Amino acid sequence: EVQLVESGGGLVQPGRSLKLSCAASGFTFSNYYMAWVRQAPTKGLEWVASITNSGGSTYYRDSVKGRFTISRDNAKSTLYLQMDSLRSEDTATYYCTRDRDYSRYFDFWGPGTMVTVSS
Amino acid sequence: DTVLTQSPALAVSPGERVSISCRASEGVNSYMHWYQQKPGQQPKLLIYKASNLASGVPARFSGSGSGTDFTLTIDPVEADDTATYFCQQSWNDPRTFGGGTKLELK
Repeated sequence: EVQLVESGGGLVQPGRSLKLSCAASGFTFSNYYMAWVRQAPTKGLEWVASITNSGGSTYYRDSVKGRFTISRDNAKSTLYLQMDSLRSEDTATYYCTRDRDYSRYFDFWGPGTMVTVSS
Repeated sequence: DTVLTQSPALAVSPGERVSISCRASEGVNSYMHWYQQKPGQQPKLLIYKASNLASGVPARFSGSGSGTDFTLTIDPVEADDTATYFCQQSWNDPRTFGGGTKLELK
């Protein structure tokens, strides 16, 4: 059974940093692209960043480019999202997802971790 | 960015058929996918590439469309289908989601 479990969310002040982690199990992690998708409170879904199975290439939405870094450790089956220079508009639940690289849909999602950016 | 437009809400009775629409601001070929999100839960993939049923999803769910107009159909609707349904396109970058259609049962 595919399982994705996020951790690392919390309350952080604007301009500060936070690092999210996602522990994956139930599949061969190193064979799959992965992604982060976020959902602001009572709002819709927004793709944030993706990473290839090897970690050799990364992709970001414009609003987080230069501030967020997606990475992975295939030996630990873990995905990360380093978030720097956080803004109030980054407040959201962040979901770790398995990203199907050809058709580019998200076939499994973790339960999410909440990030609140506020002073 | 490609904007996906969905009706905000629908109300149907159990046993009926319901169609949820998603219209794209530009063509997305067949690269439209559908998700179900129940309150307090993460989204779950229902349909990928317009009409392909995801593993474990009941055959009551089906998808159709191409280009700019897509439909998710549930037939028959069951009480457990109360949820918000999102479409997502992956033909154009960045990948975008619709605002969601909240399905309520009468």
